[in-house]
Amino acid sequence: ETGVTQSPTHLIKTRGQQVTLRCSSQSGHNTVSWYQQALGQGPQFIFQYYREEENGRGNFPPRFSGLQFPNYSSELNVNALELDDSALYLCASSLVGEETQYFGPGTRLLVL
Amino acid sequence: QQQVKQSPQSLIVQKGGISIINCAYENTAFDYFPWYQQFPGKGPALLIAIRPDVSEKKEGRFTISFNKSAKQFSLHIMDSQPGDSATYFCAAFPDSSYKLIFGSGTRLLVRP
Repeated sequence: ETGVTQSPTHLIKTRGQQVTLRCSSQSGHNTVSWYQQALGQGPQFIFQYYREEENGRGNFPPRFSGLQFPNYSSELNVNALELDDSALYLCASSLVGEETQYFGPGTRLLVL
Repeated sequence: QQQVKQSPQSLIVQKGGISIINCAYENTAFDYFPWYQQFPGKGPALLIAIRPDVSEKKEGRFTISFNKSAKQFSLHIMDSQPGDSATYFCAAFPDSSYKLIFGSGTRLLVRP
């Protein structure tokens, strides 16, 4: 069984740029959730994807967007990067309707 | 705003001692309470979880105690080991929801 994988592991961008982060869900899992974890904080829910559609969204602006593909992998896109977007971005996979979420190692994004 | 409040922010325990981390929640619609363990540079890993119809759940050295009337739950780590040094997050999953709501985390240091 393959766990949740994310790429890249680290990324440095400048303010105003755009970034795409990628996630492969755990084998058999059809739901992907994205979280933002600022330094020293708990993860904050960004959104969830199921059946290639957004299934729920947290308190994040529209410049945070996502995609889910037929193989259940997912992308997180952030436009017009701001300094406060610097964080660890976590992807979690699960089965629809089940509460247990399994997290990937995250992508560390630094915005300069 | 649904919240989960976690304490203490940091904890130092001697090897062999008991580590206790507490969480409180405000919304009675939560129906699943997991604890996650996170090592530096890694994603959160599910440690143990409980539902509100159970007052206690034990898995190895880890025990969750749940007090539904007080809206509180806690993690007890028995015989704490230096390898347990990590950040621990409590979380709650609202009924009929899709997202985990995390506490702010507790940084545990177990001294040899």
